[in-house]
Amino acid sequence: AQTVTQSQPEMSVQEAETVTLSCTYDTSESDYYLFWYKQPPSRQMILVIRQEAYKQQNATENRFSVNFQKAAKSFSLKISDSQLGDAAMYFCAYRSHLLANFGNEKLTFGTGTRLTIIP
Amino acid sequence: DSGVTQTPKHLITATGQRVTLRCSPRSGDLSVYWYQQSLDQGLQFLIQYYNGEERAKGNILERFSAQQFPDLHSELNLSSLELGDSALYFCASSLRLADTQYFGPGTRLTVL
Repeated sequence: AQTVTQSQPEMSVQEAETVTLSCTYDTSESDYYLFWYKQPPSRQMILVIRQEAYKQQNATENRFSVNFQKAAKSFSLKISDSQLGDAAMYFCAYRSHLLANFGNEKLTFGTGTRLTIIP
Repeated sequence: DSGVTQTPKHLITATGQRVTLRCSPRSGDLSVYWYQQSLDQGLQFLIQYYNGEERAKGNILERFSAQQFPDLHSELNLSSLELGDSALYFCASSLRLADTQYFGPGTRLTVL
């Protein structure tokens, strides 16, 4: 079974600065997807970014980018120019590739990192 | 707004009772997933439906059941409720099996 570990329960960053959230995972599969979801105080789960394991290039979405290290099984999220609206719980999640693990499209989540933005 | 709707937003009930949570996926999405978020267990996958058929089960208790209807909306039924069932229940949907899952706003269940 796959596991996802987020070793930083809480992080804080000054507004406009850059912060990196860590995530490691354990899997025996070679094809899979990794995600970062954001959960603000409203409790809504919002997709931040998605990475496909077979792609070498790190995914980027505006101020959000990832550092995907497949061999190390590491998937960190970098938030640049932090804004007050970035304050939230951030969850790292893993999903098997459809063809690699038929019938297993569920997301496996880490325990989350609470990010505080300091004005 | 993800396009996934869940009702009700909040539900307060007593131990031993039965409740039904409802989810309407994004228009055209065929796959529906249910997740439970609790303080002690984190976010856990419960069950998945695809085009009306159950596809995968996770850590779902026998007291819980779900179904997906022909119009693709889904319901999660929780019975013989216990204090420990208090949690936030999310529904997510995806167009096809390999697509990204988009989450609804959740239903907050409180069992007293």
